Amino acid sequence: IAGITQAPTSQILAAGRRMTLRCTQDMRHNAMYWYRQDLGLGLRLIHYSNTAGTTGKGEVPDGYSVSRANTDDFPLTLASAVPSQTSVYFCASSGRTSGGAVNEQFFGPGTRLTVL
Amino acid sequence: AQSVTQPDIHITVSEGASLELRCNYSYGATPYLFWYVQSPGQGLQLLLKYFSGDTLVQGIKGFEAEFKRSQSSFNLRKPSVHWSDAAEYFCAVGGNNDMRFGAGTRLTVKP
Repeated sequence: IAGITQAPTSQILAAGRRMTLRCTQDMRHNAMYWYRQDLGLGLRLIHYSNTAGTTGKGEVPDGYSVSRANTDDFPLTLASAVPSQTSVYFCASSGRTSGGAVNEQFFGPGTRLTVL
Repeated sequence: AQSVTQPDIHITVSEGASLELRCNYSYGATPYLFWYVQSPGQGLQLLLKYFSGDTLVQGIKGFEAEFKRSQSSFNLRKPSVHWSDAAEYFCAVGGNNDMRFGAGTRLTVKP
């Protein structure tokens, strides 16, 4: 079982270019998430999806878009990359607690993105 | 919205010494609380979680955490630290749609 895979592992991108980060899970979790991790700021949620066909905005959604065509895949797109989007990006998935809150999240290995 | 504060950015302890990492949360309802560990270049791994019941929860790698509602805290402890525990530790609180993470505490272990 792979869990969550992310691609690419790392990427250097020119400002203004379009980039899609890929995320695939094989745990059949309904919920998936994209975070960015920056030094001193911890993980900040970019977008989430509670189930296939639905998405929502997180704490820092500007400049990013997502889609959720099926349960397994949750790509993150930077339409026109800017240097402030240089970061490490983590995809995660989770189930729900019996009370409906977010349960333990399982994380991918991350994508290190540098925008020049 | 929920939030998490980890007051200590960096902690250094000697191998074999005890450890306590602090976490304070803000959440209007019953919190679902988590501690994750991140080794360099890796994703996050769950250490333990608290949903309800016994306020002292045991996790992997010899870690435990105590939920104190009166103090809005969920501090992580380990009686004797090993060199392999050096990593970044994140406290998190789960809400309806997301999980909010603290900024993290970096643990350095001295020989």
